[in-house]
Order: sequence, then structure tokens, then C-alpha cells
Amino acid sequence: RKEVEQDPGPFNVPEGATVAFNCTYSNSASQSFFWYRQDCRKEPKLLMSVYSSGNEDGRFTAQLNRASQYISLLIRDSKLSDSATYLCVVNTFNKFYFGSGTKLNVKP
Amino acid sequence: GAGVSQTPSNKVTEKGKYVELRCDPISGHTALYWYRQSLGQGPEFLIYFQGTGAADDSGLPNDRFFAVRPEGSVSTLKIQRTERGDSAMYLCASSPSGPGSVDTQYFGPGTRLTVL
Repeated sequence: RKEVEQDPGPFNVPEGATVAFNCTYSNSASQSFFWYRQDCRKEPKLLMSVYSSGNEDGRFTAQLNRASQYISLLIRDSKLSDSATYLCVVNTFNKFYFGSGTKLNVKP
Repeated sequence: GAGVSQTPSNKVTEKGKYVELRCDPISGHTALYWYRQSLGQGPEFLIYFQGTGAADDSGLPNDRFFAVRPEGSVSTLKIQRTERGDSAMYLCASSPSGPGSVDTQYFGPGTRLTVL
């Protein structure tokens, strides 16, 4: 079983839509959680850390459910520039495990 | 300031050859990570340095892969007797301290390795 699992998508949404991605992780001892964004043929860049209390950064909201070992990312009012692959990342015993990514296409 | 840099940006080699990939982390960052990313997959952990020492090399796939960071700054990933399956994007990341904190990892642009 993979450490981190994500739906690969693609999610095709119109501009202005709200879209949610989910991610599950296998190790209940995992310590910290992140969402990264990766554009085509570019390096990953940190979008946001994910905290148990949930956290928001502008149009982006991240939630962590430790009991279900589940992380989510909600994007409101999607922009064309949000089109990218979103990577779920989990730190377990001082190693970072990346999901395969969820591809988002925002259409005009 | 300058971000993480990696050289070369692209490397094409023949099966069986030796290659070296270089990473220059952000100045002052003590932690340095190497990852490998294949098409359609997320980055896969290879090795992590804290300072000069390899704190965790459990992700190296076999003994053809080796990495060094002799002065605690620049790191080199070395691959011997390359195989076609080694073809991938090799990413380097650095962070101010290490994975025990929640420090952000800053990634370099990667080296795309193609083994013919």
C-alpha cells in the first residue's frame, strides 16, 4: 500500500468553480502534512501546510482529519492560473512522502 | 536571494555510463534532500543530509546510487552504470533545519536525466 494516495484526476472545472481534492495516508504516526503545487515540467512549490485545526489562505482551505487519515484541499473561485498538479505530502518519521498528484484544469 | 540551483538541467547519457548531478542549496540551509520523479508520479525520496552527513539514505534504490555533501553545502548525486530505468527528473530540495520541524522545503528546478 502506498504511503500517500490521491485521485489523479484530471479535474476539469470552469473558472469561478469550487473544487476539492482529497488525500489519504497510511501511517497513523505521520507528523506533518502539506500541499504542494507543481506546474508542468517545473519543480514543486509549497502551497500550504495543513494543521489539525484546519487553515485557510485566501481562496485555499486545507483540512486534516487524523482519525480518518485524510487531508483535503478546497479551492474557491478557481482561476485559470490554478491549473496545475496538486501534490499531497506527508512527513512520517522524518521522511517526506509525496502522493502522485491530482491534476486540475480550470477552463474559461 | 538565490534559490536552489541544480546542474546540469538536462543530461543525456548512454547505458552503462557514470553521471554526476549537482545541487547548490540555499545558503545557510542545513538540510538537503534528493528526490526522483518519474512521469505521472510524485517525487520519490532518495536521501536526506543534515549538514555533511547522510541522515537517511534508505530511499536510494541500489548501490549504484551514492550522494555526498562534503562541506555541508553543495551536494552531488552519483549514479554508476546507468540503466534506462534511471531516466527521470532528479530534484533537490533544501530547508533551514530538517524534517523534524515544519520548515518548508525549497526545490530546485531539477535535472532531467535520460539514459539511452
